[in-house]
Amino acid sequence: EADIYQTPRYLVIGTGKKITLECSQTMGHDKMYWYQQDPGMELHLIHYSYGVNSTEKGDLSSESTVSRIRTEHFPLTLESARPSHTSQYLCASSIYGYTFGSGTRLTVV
Amino acid sequence: QKEVEQNSGPLSVPEGAIASLNCTYSDRGSQSFFWYRQYSGKSPELIMSIYSNGDKEDGRFTAQLNKASQYVSLLIRDSQPSDSATYLCAVAMDSSYKLIFGSGTRLLVRP
Repeated sequence: EADIYQTPRYLVIGTGKKITLECSQTMGHDKMYWYQQDPGMELHLIHYSYGVNSTEKGDLSSESTVSRIRTEHFPLTLESARPSHTSQYLCASSIYGYTFGSGTRLTVV
Repeated sequence: QKEVEQNSGPLSVPEGAIASLNCTYSDRGSQSFFWYRQYSGKSPELIMSIYSNGDKEDGRFTAQLNKASQYVSLLIRDSQPSDSATYLCAVAMDSSYKLIFGSGTRLLVRP
């Protein structure tokens, strides 16, 4: 039973649109993460947060932004989607090992 | 040199055999080690964690850690076709518990 939820599961959107990928967890974890993963490829950390009002950029440069206003909520926003943003986006939270959400598969056309 | 290295595979084993998956890491100060399983199109799920040298067993899975050699492995006994997946090694390089993932080893278990 998932304690970390991502919506939408799939999203197809046009170039130039603003999108927000939602991530929520019910475990009270302070640490949350966003990863990007292309099919068959590595996980790349794009953003992380160690608590409310704390956000950092990850190892992979990304045009997305994140916010952490509440412990349970860590949304990711793309102001202007481009085809190069097409990928799977995975949210995770942790105390020690990560628990991943089901992911959002984003396609920008 | 990558921080966490895994052979990409595929590693092919017959059903019922032992599958051995290996991972090396570069930072001697690494403290925590994890194995994740990822089925195609799905998100990773945690299988094992290990923090100290030696073996840790959980059902058909055994994680082995050797900090002196900077090496962590996962053994899967009595492999089943349902074990066919990509196995990701992840290492926490410091007390922040931010994980660095390897690129994964694809395991194929032949019926």
